[in-house]
Amino acid sequence: SQQGEEDPQALSIQEGENATMNCSYKTSINNLQWYRQNSGRGLVHLILIRSNEREKHSGRLRVTLDTSKKSSSLLITASRAADTASYFCAPNSGYALNFGKGTSLLVTP
Amino acid sequence: NAGVTQTPKFRVLKTGQSMTLLCAQDMNHEYMYWYRQDPGMGLRLIHYSVGEGTTAKGEVPDGYNVSRLKKQNFLLGLESAAPSQTSVYFCASSYRLGDPPTQLEQYFGPGTRLTVT
Repeated sequence: SQQGEEDPQALSIQEGENATMNCSYKTSINNLQWYRQNSGRGLVHLILIRSNEREKHSGRLRVTLDTSKKSSSLLITASRAADTASYFCAPNSGYALNFGKGTSLLVTP
Repeated sequence: NAGVTQTPKFRVLKTGQSMTLLCAQDMNHEYMYWYRQDPGMGLRLIHYSVGEGTTAKGEVPDGYNVSRLKKQNFLLGLESAAPSQTSVYFCASSYRLGDPPTQLEQYFGPGTRLTVT
């Protein structure tokens, strides 16, 4: 299985701080995607990084990919209470995505 | 655009009953997916479809059947519900790019909360 594994499982920070989540996977990929899930809602796509890219930015999000280590990280800068959610990585090597268990982020005022 | 919609939003079934969950998308996406999400387990892929009339098994297909008779709809059926199928079910869709196709971002529905007693 190409399931991603996120680390840490839970993260608690204060508003204004940066949050970093990591993802590891096991085989070669076409791309790796990050999703956010607010409590009780469906997942929302955040960012996709292709296998030939090393870093990508989108607003306050920064994603890195190291294919030699089979790992990725998601950095959220200047966190806000509204960033409280679960974050999932999803490595892709075919038709489907295999999501990990996610990182639960709590941002307190 | 409504995006991805799921019907119903909530349902309670008794063991042995059957039901069908409906997923509809209005984005003309080729690919559609059904996942289940259980506490502490993340999302697990049940079945998926890469086009009208085609379906394939995912990670946890047992106890479920699917059909994709129309491009915009993907149905998930439970023929004889079991308490182990109590979960939140999410449908998702995505479009196709390239040959061989590569995966772009998936768009998720709001979920169906199913309880089997």
